Amino acid sequence: GAGVSQTPSNKVTEKGKYVELRCDPISGHTALYWYRQSLGQGPEFLIYFQGTGAADDSGLPNDRFFAVRPEGSVSTLKIQRTERGDSAVYLCASSGTGVDTQYFGPGTRLTVL
Amino acid sequence: EDQVTQSPEALRLQEGESSSLNCSYTVSGLRGLFWYRQDPGKGPEFLFTLYSAGEEKEKERLKATLTKKESFLHITAPKPEDSATYLCAVQGGESNTGKLIFGQGTTLQVKP
Repeated sequence: GAGVSQTPSNKVTEKGKYVELRCDPISGHTALYWYRQSLGQGPEFLIYFQGTGAADDSGLPNDRFFAVRPEGSVSTLKIQRTERGDSAVYLCASSGTGVDTQYFGPGTRLTVL
Repeated sequence: EDQVTQSPEALRLQEGESSSLNCSYTVSGLRGLFWYRQDPGKGPEFLFTLYSAGEEKEKERLKATLTKKESFLHITAPKPEDSATYLCAVQGGESNTGKLIFGQGTTLQVKP
């Protein structure tokens, strides 16, 4: 595709449930980032992939959050035992390398009831 | 610790009324400073990258400038379609991962 795509666009879940959020980066981009954006705030870094490996996961808030990128393209962000505080927009971005301009997807709005 | 502060938080302008948005930053070894535009319900849209003090970039009614401590986004004769949240972010040299540190954004409203 022409840009970064994310699915679903909206996800409503109940406290304690497990969710998966998907990101399709721009074709050929080796670097992939996940960010989280709360209302009225700028995006906050979660994790960075270079190829298949997580090169920096220092932004993951706790061990309920995990992300994978098994083939170096599509990435999935997984959240276990969701809490109301996890409600936010989850953004994915990709770039040609780790220092190139990052292009963002439309985000997934997660609501935990 | 890398930090970005944007001001003002919100700005209301009349169509044609030029103004500037400020982005102050502290970072260990700046690799790049980025400006993005974000419309409600959408992801950030890339506008500019600035790499060194004194650099300027322009696109239509927008011009971004950079000093060693801050960046400005100048909006000349804005139109209602320029209404959006403008985000500033830095990429620091201490981190080899390229992660962006964002400010909280400036929400611009341009009235016809």
